[in-house]
Order: sequence, then structure tokens, then C-alpha cells
Amino acid sequence: NAGVTQTPKFRILKIGQSMTLQCAQDMNHNYMYWYRQDPGMGLKLIYYSVGAGITDKGEVPNGYNVSRSTTEDFPLRLELAAPSQTSVYFCASSYRDTQNIQYFGAGTRLSVL
Amino acid sequence: AQTVTQSQPEMSVQEAETVTLSCTYDTSESDYYLFWYKQPPSRQMILVIRQEAYKQQNATENRFSVNFQKAAKSFSLKISDSQLGDAAMYFCAYRSGNTGTASKLTFGTGTRLQVTL
Repeated sequence: NAGVTQTPKFRILKIGQSMTLQCAQDMNHNYMYWYRQDPGMGLKLIYYSVGAGITDKGEVPNGYNVSRSTTEDFPLRLELAAPSQTSVYFCASSYRDTQNIQYFGAGTRLSVL
Repeated sequence: AQTVTQSQPEMSVQEAETVTLSCTYDTSESDYYLFWYKQPPSRQMILVIRQEAYKQQNATENRFSVNFQKAAKSFSLKISDSQLGDAAMYFCAYRSGNTGTASKLTFGTGTRLQVTL
């Protein structure tokens, strides 16, 4: 029972580099989310998706892009990495129902130097 | 926009004792959900307990219970018989009951709970 799987777990980027954070869920969830967690802070929503082919911005979308070509996968792309993007990134997913409990991945720790 | 405030950056409790973590929120909605998530050093976010705003009865899950005061917009978490494994960051989160919001969560800044012997 994998749940929500994020890769990689850790990554160091140089300023200006690009990368994709991978997120996959095997629970057939409709909704998927990307959050970032800065030191000593709560999670802030970057982007979310309510289904394949549908994405929307969250609270802090600048500098990121997402796509949702399948129900299972929701990758997050950083095009031109900046030090301000140093953070821990969490992917989550949930059913579209009244319970709507979000299940989280283990996170990706990203440092931009 | 909704906001969630956790005014206690750190708390400490002795093993087997009881501790209460505070959370207040601001919303103009009447239908919503509230959650407490636990984040141990492993970073994994774990759901501890949830509360539907339309329910007057406070939610309980084993040693964890909440005190939900809707009029005061307060949602505190009580941990009874604290154990070493309870040491973690605890986040309070809000979710609108409006289905058009895609069930997004708004988090507080967290409370770090330390459990001592």
C-alpha cells in the first residue's frame, strides 16, 4: 500500500537550474495538491488539481508549473530555481467526497544554492 | 480568506500528563472542517483528528480529543496520557465546506510539542 509517493527525497540545485518533483498516488484520488513548508512555518498551497487535465493556482504559485495528464501523477516543475524556493515540498491527495481527508507524501527537501 | 492561528510555538509536557494545544481561526463561513495534523521528525504529515463544524459533539480519537467552540472560533487539541511518541509538530488546518474550493487546506504555523520523562 504505497499511498502518495514523492521523488526525490532530497535535492540540491544551483540558481537558475530547473527540475521536476514527482508525485504519484495509487488510491485513485480525484484531488491532488502541492504544498511548500518553509522553516518554522505551516504548509502553503502552491497548486492543486481536481482531476486529470485540470489544475489551478494556490496561494504561492509563482515560479512553479504543474500538469496532470493522468489521475495518478501530479508533477511540480521549477523552471529557474531561486534561493527563495529552498523549502520542503509536500504532495497530497484526497477523494472528492465529504470526508476529504488529505493523505500526504513524505516530502522532498530542496535546497537552492 | 480564512486564517488559522496557533499562538504557541512550543509546548512541553511530562510523560503521562495532559497537554492542550490551542488553535483559533477566522472565517465567515458556517460550513467547514477542522483538522489536527501531526508531523514527527520523519516529516510525514499524519492526520490526528477532524471535526465537522455542523457537529456540536467534540471529536475524540483514543487519547486525542478536541474542544471545538464554534462561536469563539476556537479548536484546541487535548492529548491525554502523553507518550514519548507524541513529540512532534502539530498543525491545525481549516477546510471550507464549499465544494467549489476543491477542499484546499489552510494551515496554522504549528506548535512544537516536547515530551519529557
